[in-house]
Amino acid sequence: GNSVTQMEGPVTLSEEAFLTINCTYTATGYPSLFWYVQYPGEGLQLLLKATKADDKGSNKGFEATYRKETTSFHLEKGSVQVSDSAVYFCALSDRGESGGSNYKLTFGKGTLLTVNP
Amino acid sequence: ETGVTQTPRHLVMGMTNKKSLKCEQHLGHNAMYWYKQSAKKPLELMFVYSLEERVENNSVPSRFSPECPNSSHLFLHLHTLQPEDSALYLCASSQRPAGPSYEQYFGPGTRLTVT
Repeated sequence: GNSVTQMEGPVTLSEEAFLTINCTYTATGYPSLFWYVQYPGEGLQLLLKATKADDKGSNKGFEATYRKETTSFHLEKGSVQVSDSAVYFCALSDRGESGGSNYKLTFGKGTLLTVNP
Repeated sequence: ETGVTQTPRHLVMGMTNKKSLKCEQHLGHNAMYWYKQSAKKPLELMFVYSLEERVENNSVPSRFSPECPNSSHLFLHLHTLQPEDSALYLCASSQRPAGPSYEQYFGPGTRLTVT
């Protein structure tokens, strides 16, 4: 089956520090990869995505590159801000167990990031 | 603005109560999802509706009963819950998946506490 493993955290950084959150996956097919972010008291929002090997997703200064050879999709940001404090989820989409067109999202457990001023 | 709303935002219920969670999406999507988010566990997909037909039921106990009367509304009916059912319940919507890169849009969730 499919699974996503991401670093557990929590991660605490000072403002303007460099951020890396590791994510690795296993999948039966050729998945698309996502990072979602959940700010306090809110639902999940798509942060970025990549659909094929070597694609780089980017948004709001965050980046992640789809590495098929290492089955990884690590999230990075060069200079974090206090407003980046949130829970970050790595996820993949692949065909459901029925093999039909109902693609499912498989999530990691989430990594809590706290950025201090 | 996510375009997906959920009510109530917080719910406390006893184990013998019956209550319902409501989700509404204003995005013109035709697939809707219920997820359970518990502390220290990955997000769990509970149910998927596509074109108002239930297409996925991930071994969820029968005390959870979903209903999708139309493509904009999704309900989760709750009865005789257990304390371990306390969690954040998230609703999401998307276009009916036509490929692996579709995006799901999430609501803010209902924080459920079972006493």
